[in-house]
Amino acid sequence: KNEVEQSPQNLTAQEGEFITINCSYSVGISALHWLQQHPGGGIVSLFMLSSGKKKHGRLIATINIQEKHSSLHITASHPRDSAVYICAVISRIKGGGADGLTFGKGTHLIIQP
Amino acid sequence: EAGVTQSPTHLIKTRGQQATLRCSPISGHTSVYWYQQALGLGLQFLLWYDEGEERNRGNFPPRFSGRQFPNYSSELNVNALELEDSALYLCASSLGSSRNTGELFFGEGSRLTVL
Repeated sequence: KNEVEQSPQNLTAQEGEFITINCSYSVGISALHWLQQHPGGGIVSLFMLSSGKKKHGRLIATINIQEKHSSLHITASHPRDSAVYICAVISRIKGGGADGLTFGKGTHLIIQP
Repeated sequence: EAGVTQSPTHLIKTRGQQATLRCSPISGHTSVYWYQQALGLGLQFLLWYDEGEERNRGNFPPRFSGRQFPNYSSELNVNALELEDSALYLCASSLGSSRNTGELFFGEGSRLTVL
């Protein structure tokens, strides 16, 4: 079983819809990252969080440490949000920083006009 | 300000050859991380350089190696290429070496194809 599981694997929605992408992990963590990978391959770091909730523009990330679960929400989705969204965690036991990241396989999001 | 830059964007090699990929971090960043993203697999950590030193390596064979130069740019070398080395290789940089979990800045990646 992977340490980081994302759902859904693929998601197609209409412009304007509220989007939720889920990430579940099986280990105690010190931090969780949400990343956005564009079709060309480049990656943008969206959020790093260890508790609570963060908001940036139309993006909201939440984490529930007790339930070992995080969600990424996109409000008023737009075709330019189409990308692969990747969840990554740093295990508290393994430790480390960016060298200790364990990545999910990503959620492929398509927003249709 | 320039972001993390990687070159080449695409590289085609044959089995047994060597590949060299390059990464320039954001100005002021001393840590460079290399990751491999093979088709259908998640990103996997390869190597971490900081202040010119290799700080950690992932579960990859020794034919994956690299170095970091005094200007903090980095090279990833893959020797004796195998078909399964075909992947997108991503470089990321961050401030500092204290294993901080601060924000990472990624490049656009180098896509290596081994024929």
